[in-house]
Amino acid sequence: GQQLNQSPQSMFIQEGEDVSMNCTSSSIFNTWLWYKQDPGEGPVLLIALYKAGELTSNGRLTAQFGITRKDSFLNISASIPSDVGIYFCAGRQGGSEKLVFGKGTKLTVNP
Amino acid sequence: NAGVTQTPKFQVLKTGQSMTLQCAQDMNHEYMSWYRQDPGMGLRLIHYSVGAGITDQGEVPNGYNVSRSTTEDFPLRLLSAAPSQTSVYFCASSYSFGGVAKNIQYFGAGTRLSVL
Repeated sequence: GQQLNQSPQSMFIQEGEDVSMNCTSSSIFNTWLWYKQDPGEGPVLLIALYKAGELTSNGRLTAQFGITRKDSFLNISASIPSDVGIYFCAGRQGGSEKLVFGKGTKLTVNP
Repeated sequence: NAGVTQTPKFQVLKTGQSMTLQCAQDMNHEYMSWYRQDPGMGLRLIHYSVGAGITDQGEVPNGYNVSRSTTEDFPLRLLSAAPSQTSVYFCASSYSFGGVAKNIQYFGAGTRLSVL
């Protein structure tokens, strides 16, 4: 099946640092979503992107829909300990209600 | 304000046993999905439904059955559990609006299943 390549797999950063992660595909997607999963919980939606080139912010989080429609990026500025978790990208292709997920980026923030 | 509710939260089965994982949503969402999450594998789609009475297979459907008799409920059945089905299972629901399928999926808290 379709796969999304998410990188990096894990990140270890100091509190206050900025974080960048990305998701790429060989196919075009019409929607990109970014989720965060806390330990023992289900994924929670952070940002949704619907148009190529779109740049959307949610507090300290900013995500972009790549202009080729084959990638997306998530940036977290000035990280804090509660940013710890697994971040997933997900994409939806045109005409499909199904989402394809990346394998996740595990973020650890050291105080 | 329940959202997506999954029961049970934890379950241990013996190989060959059957069980049903329950999922209910109170948001009147059309779409519902079941995923399994394994370490390093992300979320993989098992089955999904676009409305009551309509279901279809996802990426990893073998060993699982679903039905959708109401908008609210979407149970996942394991007919004969196998150790390979040890995983965390998530149910999600989503909606479309404005003539464009926004399909933002909302997830339940998960069911942690161990098959011995």
